[in-house]
Amino acid sequence: DAGVIQSPRHEVTEMGQEVTLRCKPISGHDYLFWYRQTMMRGLELLIYFNNNVPIDDSGMPEDRFSAKMPNASFSTLKIQPSEPRDSAVYFCASSRLMNTEAFFGQGTRLTVV
Amino acid sequence: QKEVEQNSGPLSVPEGAIASLNCTYSDRGSQSFFWYRQYSGKSPELIMSIYSNGDKEDGRFTAQLNKASQYVSLLIRDSQPSDSATYLCAVSSGGYQKVTFGTGTKLQVIP
Repeated sequence: DAGVIQSPRHEVTEMGQEVTLRCKPISGHDYLFWYRQTMMRGLELLIYFNNNVPIDDSGMPEDRFSAKMPNASFSTLKIQPSEPRDSAVYFCASSRLMNTEAFFGQGTRLTVV
Repeated sequence: QKEVEQNSGPLSVPEGAIASLNCTYSDRGSQSFFWYRQYSGKSPELIMSIYSNGDKEDGRFTAQLNKASQYVSLLIRDSQPSDSATYLCAVSSGGYQKVTFGTGTKLQVIP
């Protein structure tokens, strides 16, 4: 398996623009997680899905953030409108079970100017 | 109180020494504990997982869990410069045992 695949690897956008981050989890993994990492706050869980259903979105910082998982092999995290404080590295991860090893994608480095 | 706390470091150790990384957590109901390693500019990768009190060894790595003290540690024996990275402690908590990460400890192994 190729592992968790995220795209794009880097995204630079202007404030106010819509940003869409994409993730393909490892086949057979029932859980998908979206994380945000910053120097100040570390690795924060934004939302996670179980069998394509959002279970806990309490980490989503604002209504500007939304996530979907239309099928077992694809998920998106959307920020609309984007703001400079959204600049961070966004990771997608997947796992077989809730409390087992999570495999991380390479991340998307987002810069909002 | 943060759910998972780690000293940010940097922790500097000479090559060949034992590096000791520590983590405390707040939820007494936590069931799963993980150590991830993250090289600069890379994604986290799992080193060890531990689920019961005591020690768990894997090569040069030993994870130690003490649920009574709400404390988990990672020992790295014979530290190598390639071990230089940030080590993230992750702990499950709450009804769904959601995993929360600490902010990480930066380890520097000096040749």
